[in-house]
Parts: sequence; C-alpha cells; structure tokens
Amino acid sequence: DIVMTQSPDSLAVSLGERATINCKSSQSLLYTFNSKNYLAWYQQKPGQPPKLLIYWASTRESGVPDRFSGSGSGTDFTLTVSSLQAEDVAVYYCQQYHSTPRTFGQGTKVEIK
Amino acid sequence: QVQLVESGGGVVQPGRSLRLSCAASGFTFSHYGMHWVRQAPGKGLEWVTVISYDGSKKHYADSVKGRFTVSRDNSKNTLYLQINSLRLEDTAVFYCARDSESAGYGDIPGIVNSHFDYWGQGILVTVSS
Repeated sequence: DIVMTQSPDSLAVSLGERATINCKSSQSLLYTFNSKNYLAWYQQKPGQPPKLLIYWASTRESGVPDRFSGSGSGTDFTLTVSSLQAEDVAVYYCQQYHSTPRTFGQGTKVEIK
Repeated sequence: QVQLVESGGGVVQPGRSLRLSCAASGFTFSHYGMHWVRQAPGKGLEWVTVISYDGSKKHYADSVKGRFTVSRDNSKNTLYLQINSLRLEDTAVFYCARDSESAGYGDIPGIVNSHFDYWGQGILVTVSS
C-alpha cells in the first residue's frame, strides 16, 4: 500500500500570509503513459465532509479560490494557500489515487495565528 | 445537482450488524464507481472500499476485509455497506463518495483511478455496549 505522509501536522498562519503543506508518498504517483500525478487535496471544516480542492496534483476544482494551488510530481507534493483567509481554517488532506487501496495523509490542521 | 445522502447509522452493540445506504441523485449513478470512507472521532480519513460502476468489481481496505461488504443497486441509485461483527473501533462517521471520472485508467480493471468529487454529509455509527 502507498503511505502518504503530510507535514507539518499543524500550522498557525497570520491572516493574509502564506500557508504551505507538504505531502510525501512512499512511491511515485506519476504514471508516465499519461504524465499525470494521481494526487488530490481535500479541505475539511468541522462537522462537514471533505471538499475537493485540487486534483492531478495541480488542477484546481471548479469554484475553488485561486489562492489555493498545488504543485509537485513523483513523490513530493505541496498545497499552498497564498493569502490565508479566516474561512480557510480547516484540516487539509492529501490522497493518492494511483493505486488501490486509495490512501490519505494523516491531515494538516491550519489555524490562524 | 449531485446529491449523496447516507442513512442507516446509529448506536449498535459490539458483534451486531448494520447496513448503511447512500442514496444518489443528480447524475447517472450506474456510470460511476463509488467509495466508502470513514473517520473515527477526532481522527483522519480512512478509505474503506470501492465498487465499480456495475458492481462487478470490489476492493476493501485490509482493516475491514471479511467483515464489510459493499454493494449497489443501480435501479434504485443506491450504494450499500453491510458491516458485520461490529467492533468498538468501527465507531466513525461513514461517508460515501463518487469517483470524479467514469472512464479512464484503473489498476483494477473496471475500477477507474479517480479522485472523489462529491461526498455525502456522512452518517455516524457508534459501537457501544
């Protein structure tokens, strides 16, 4: 099974500042036949289901603010919130869909400093 | 619009069984693979199982293999999760989720490797004596 490891487990960022979350997979999530990284990012607010933010490692889901961006390839990925807003307080999860079983990172809690 | 609505949760004694349902609407249910994901209180997301669009292919997390059974009734646009021999550690919110893509590569033939674009609100299962 592919193990997904996020860092840090939590971070506190001032409003308007950048938040960066890292995600590392135990094996490459890149399929060379289509040059796609099978990596998604989800946001989960308290009492709500997860919400898709980013897929194919860097494609923003429709309706997601452009302050959210994803980058990386292979085994190392990053979710960046360029200017943190109060409504971005949440837990963020990366997930690989390269292989079954699908696996999630342990989550990163983002708070306001 | 796409909607996924779970039901069937509640408080159950250890060793008993439970069947969860996920009613789908707003899309052609029979075209998409579906998943169950669970989240223990205060914990992260754990993928549980996937079922192919036609129900012919299924895969389970090792932690639930042999006790959980996923199924679907495409005529009723409903996904199911049968949970047997419930354990205290099965206490969790269970979410159903849809594969974003109905076609594409799959490491298991018949199951597309796709991210999850829609999630239900979740249903709480509490295992307690």
